Amino acid sequence: DVKVTQSSRYLVKRTGEKVFLECVQDMDHENMFWYRQDPGLGLRLIYFSYDVKMKEKGDIPEGYSVSREKKERFSLILESASTNQTSMYLCASSSREAGAAGANVLTFGAGSRLTVL
Amino acid sequence: SQKIEQNSEALNIQEGKTATLTCNYTNYSPAYLQWYRQDPGRGPVFLLLIRENEKEKRKERLKVTFDTTLKQSLFHITASQPADSATYLCALEGSSGTYKYIFGTGTRLKVLA
Repeated sequence: DVKVTQSSRYLVKRTGEKVFLECVQDMDHENMFWYRQDPGLGLRLIYFSYDVKMKEKGDIPEGYSVSREKKERFSLILESASTNQTSMYLCASSSREAGAAGANVLTFGAGSRLTVL
Repeated sequence: SQKIEQNSEALNIQEGKTATLTCNYTNYSPAYLQWYRQDPGRGPVFLLLIRENEKEKRKERLKVTFDTTLKQSLFHITASQPADSATYLCALEGSSGTYKYIFGTGTRLKVLA
């Protein structure tokens, strides 16, 4: 019954490494999001995508990029990981279709906890 | 700037009592307000959505109110149980079509047996 799947639950990377976080949803949702969650700061939006190959910056896009080549998959890329990117990363999806199941509601994955040493 | 405030201190209540959590916002006119539950190490799970023209929404033991004049939402859990212990997040979306959701930092609720 898993609907949003994040590829890695725990990752440990070294400073300067390139990091890929993958997210797949099986609900045919148009919108997909990447958030990071830090104690005391809550969830902050990094990037979102409202269609294939479309992307919009969120509130904290610096140091990140994204890719959406297929509707069901949204990838977050850290080009050169830094220690201040140690965090919990949460992927989510939603439908734009009014009245559709999940419309305007975020369905989250289980999260990927990234540690950058 | 837009801001959402939830009581950052943990809320401890006795089993069977009603828990009330608060979400206040400023510089924002949300079309929707949502509440999510998050357990440690997991992603948030949607609970309830209330629209700007709705005053109250209920689902089983949960009730949400939305006062756009006060810019506040209250989230109530009646007959609370230890299994309700979790962090509860409120989230706002702007006008339909913005797709951007802003979250509060959450309130940790602990229901004592």
